[in-house]
Amino acid sequence: DVKVTQSSRYLVKRTGEKVFLECVQDMDHENMFWYRQDPGLGLRLIYFSYDVKMKEKGDIPEGYSVSREKKERFSLILESASTNQTSMYLCASSSNNLGQTSYEQYFGPGTRLTVT
Amino acid sequence: QKEVEQDPGPLSVPEGAIVSLNCTYSNSAFQYFMWYRQYSRKGPELLMYTYSSGNKEDGRFTAQVDKSSKYISLFIRDSQPSDSATYLCAMSAGTGGFKTIFGAGTRLFVKA
Repeated sequence: DVKVTQSSRYLVKRTGEKVFLECVQDMDHENMFWYRQDPGLGLRLIYFSYDVKMKEKGDIPEGYSVSREKKERFSLILESASTNQTSMYLCASSSNNLGQTSYEQYFGPGTRLTVT
Repeated sequence: QKEVEQDPGPLSVPEGAIVSLNCTYSNSAFQYFMWYRQYSRKGPELLMYTYSSGNKEDGRFTAQVDKSSKYISLFIRDSQPSDSATYLCAMSAGTGGFKTIFGAGTRLFVKA
């Protein structure tokens, strides 16, 4: 059974703190993604990675950074958390089939982050 | 204007009803159309996938794509309380990977 796990389901942090969100997948997928999900806005892509140590900015990368040191692990870092980063954060992964990125993404359960 | 528009609902129907969920989009380059289902406190999971125009059926679920109108639909027949979830449309110009655009999601409640 495919599995994407996220380190925390709920997290409360203070403004200015450095926050680490961890994601691990056990499917040997090449591609990993970080989204945030807000009411009325849907899922918005923050960063993605198509290989170890490779990363690309998504649509809303400001205030975030990522790290992918191992194929199965993709971390999202909030360098200095702000209240407007209060959101649901979803990690996802997908495979490459015959050199093409699969349309199907597998999601983790999400981390609800509150910044006070 | 958003690339993908989806009515957030909520949509409340009685058990057994036919449910119609819809999305419109503006980018004519989209070719891959997906529907994800998201239960409360869970991540989205892929429900249906359609390439280009046409219909696709899977059990009680039918996905329709009308590229000329830039309009996609998901129909649920004989809806069940277990169908209560948020349904997100998603679409991509390529093979679905890096630039998948998601709708805001429609929250559906099916009452027993």
